Amino acid sequence: AQKITQTQPGMFVQEKEAVTLDCTYDTSDPSYGLFWYKQPSSGEMIFLIYQGSYDQQNATEGRYSLNFQKARKSANLVISASQLGDSAMYFCAMNREYGNKLVFGAGTILRVKS
Amino acid sequence: EAQVTQNPRYLITVTGKKLTVTCSQNMNHEYMSWYRQDPGLGLRQIYYSMNVEVTDKGDVPEGYKVSRKEKRNFPLILESPSPNQTSLYFCASSFSRTGGQPQHFGDGTRLSIL
Repeated sequence: AQKITQTQPGMFVQEKEAVTLDCTYDTSDPSYGLFWYKQPSSGEMIFLIYQGSYDQQNATEGRYSLNFQKARKSANLVISASQLGDSAMYFCAMNREYGNKLVFGAGTILRVKS
Repeated sequence: EAQVTQNPRYLITVTGKKLTVTCSQNMNHEYMSWYRQDPGLGLRQIYYSMNVEVTDKGDVPEGYKVSRKEKRNFPLILESPSPNQTSLYFCASSFSRTGGQPQHFGDGTRLSIL
């Protein structure tokens, strides 16, 4: 079975600083995908970034990057130059290469201070 | 615009009164899924469907039913709702082959069962 662990229930970061949100995972599948979603207070789920288990390079999408360390089974999200609009709940999730079911972590609430 | 549409967005009802939450997608996705979100637990899959007339249980299917008579629609049915089904519900869709395909989520339905 797959499992996602997010150990930080809440985080604070100063505006314009970088922040790292932790995610570790457990799976016996040789091939899988890792995702990060953002959930603002309005409730919708916004896809941020994806990393495939066989991807050699860390994924980046604008201010978001995924620090993928396969041997340590970690997939941390790095947000550079934090903005007030980054305040939200962030979920790490994974699926199998040939399956669509997403397994989610409990989430981390990020608050950006001005 | 590509989207997943859920209705209603909010519903307060009473124990035992049957209700249906509708979900429709306009992206011709084969795969559709329902999740519930509870504090500290992240999102958990209730039911999923790989295509028309093909549905299967997720991790927390008790008390729920689904149907997939058309490709675009995947309603969630609570035959006899109970207070422990008070939650935030999300419908999601994607193509069947995952790779790096993110799932597209609806805006959520907040259900309160009194």
